[in-house]
Amino acid sequence: IVLTQSPGTVSLSPGDGATLSCRASQSISGAYLAWYQQKPGQAPRLLIYATSNRATGIPDRFSGSGSGTDFTLTISRLEPEDFAVYYCQQSGSSLRTFGQGTKVEIK
Amino acid sequence: EVQLVESGGGLVQPGGSLRLSCVASGFSLRTYTMNWVRQAPGKGLEWISYVSGTGYSSYYADSVQGRFTISRDNAKNLVYLQMNSLRDDDTAVYYCTRGQNNYPDWGRGTLVTVSS
Repeated sequence: IVLTQSPGTVSLSPGDGATLSCRASQSISGAYLAWYQQKPGQAPRLLIYATSNRATGIPDRFSGSGSGTDFTLTISRLEPEDFAVYYCQQSGSSLRTFGQGTKVEIK
Repeated sequence: EVQLVESGGGLVQPGGSLRLSCVASGFSLRTYTMNWVRQAPGKGLEWISYVSGTGYSSYYADSVQGRFTISRDNAKNLVYLQMNSLRDDDTAVYYCTRGQNNYPDWGRGTLVTVSS
């Protein structure tokens, strides 16, 4: 299953909202779609699992939604620490895959 | 506290072999699926393999199928990745992760550089 994320890069200001898209090449159960955040020099951090469930310690400005082939990560109000790269990941097939990532950069 | 610590990375020539290790602590390894995920310099994340808690089931990305082998020793709290026939494009940071459908826990990674 190929995951295609858009946009590749988005330039926003602190306080803005962000909407990141992840499109799958075939339908996935919502139980099998997750989102990660990665900052330079760090390992990725799980944000959202099963499409819409926030991982431990993740603030409520992060939310996930979607079904079938279209999934979305929404950041309601960007904080300075939210500027990073975001990846979606599927486990609907035995061969797991990640999207190519969306970079959220400071405008 | 869950901890995953990778080791075994380094510089290897094309065609060579390397074995990575991941030592797990803070949880019962035998009850968890474990994975390896890699990231080439400046690139995105690539899932490459997972092994079930018992070690009986394993899967590989097409890019490493037939060259890499994942295994585990639950008694020693270790997960391994044997990498053979290494190529330049295997150069990456290799992360060990815990979980079947998503990965809440990651190691800090170990760098593998394939170069002559």
